[in-house]
Amino acid sequence: NAGVTQTPKFQVLKTGQSMTLQCAQDMNHEYMSWYRQDPGMGLRLIHYSVGAGITDQGEVPNGYNVSRSTTEDFPLRLLSAAPSQTSVYFCASSYSPWTVGATNEKLFFGSGTQLSVL
Amino acid sequence: QQQVKQSPQSLIVQKGGISIINCAYENTAFDYFPWYQQFPGKGPALLIAIRPDVSEKKEGRFTISFNKSAKQFSLHIMDSQPGDSATYFCAAKETSGSRLTFGEGTQLTVNP
Repeated sequence: NAGVTQTPKFQVLKTGQSMTLQCAQDMNHEYMSWYRQDPGMGLRLIHYSVGAGITDQGEVPNGYNVSRSTTEDFPLRLLSAAPSQTSVYFCASSYSPWTVGATNEKLFFGSGTQLSVL
Repeated sequence: QQQVKQSPQSLIVQKGGISIINCAYENTAFDYFPWYQQFPGKGPALLIAIRPDVSEKKEGRFTISFNKSAKQFSLHIMDSQPGDSATYFCAAKETSGSRLTFGEGTQLTVNP
């Protein structure tokens, strides 16, 4: 099992450019999410999905789009990159967030994408 | 508005000492409280979790203490080791919801 795979690991963009961060999981997880990590601010939820075809906004969704056409993939699109989007981005998935139990609710994180916007 | 507030932001402990990280929450509907551990260059990983029906949960050297009336919970690391040096995040979730809300994180350094 590869777990949660994120690509690329590093990316530098110029202001106004667009790009897609890729996320794939091979654990048949229902729930997938994107977080950004900034110093002193912890992990903030950008968008999440509770199944194929279903997405919703998190705490900081502005400037980002997502889609979930398959169970395995959950790409994050930056529409027009801004310096404020410089951050480390993590994709995370879990089996079933509504089912009580350590196994179901445990979030599995990818290794992150470090993004710099100049 | 941070729904889960974590302190301290950084913590330095000597080997063998006790590390204590605190979190407080506002939403009384939260009923699942995990702690995640993150090493440099890696994604966070689940360390230990607790539900409000118990006041304490222990796994090895790691203990969560939970105070429902005060809406606070804390992570205690006994006999802290240099290998425990990492960033620790508390988090909270409603069972009826799917979103996990994280605290700001604590960077722990354990000196040899």
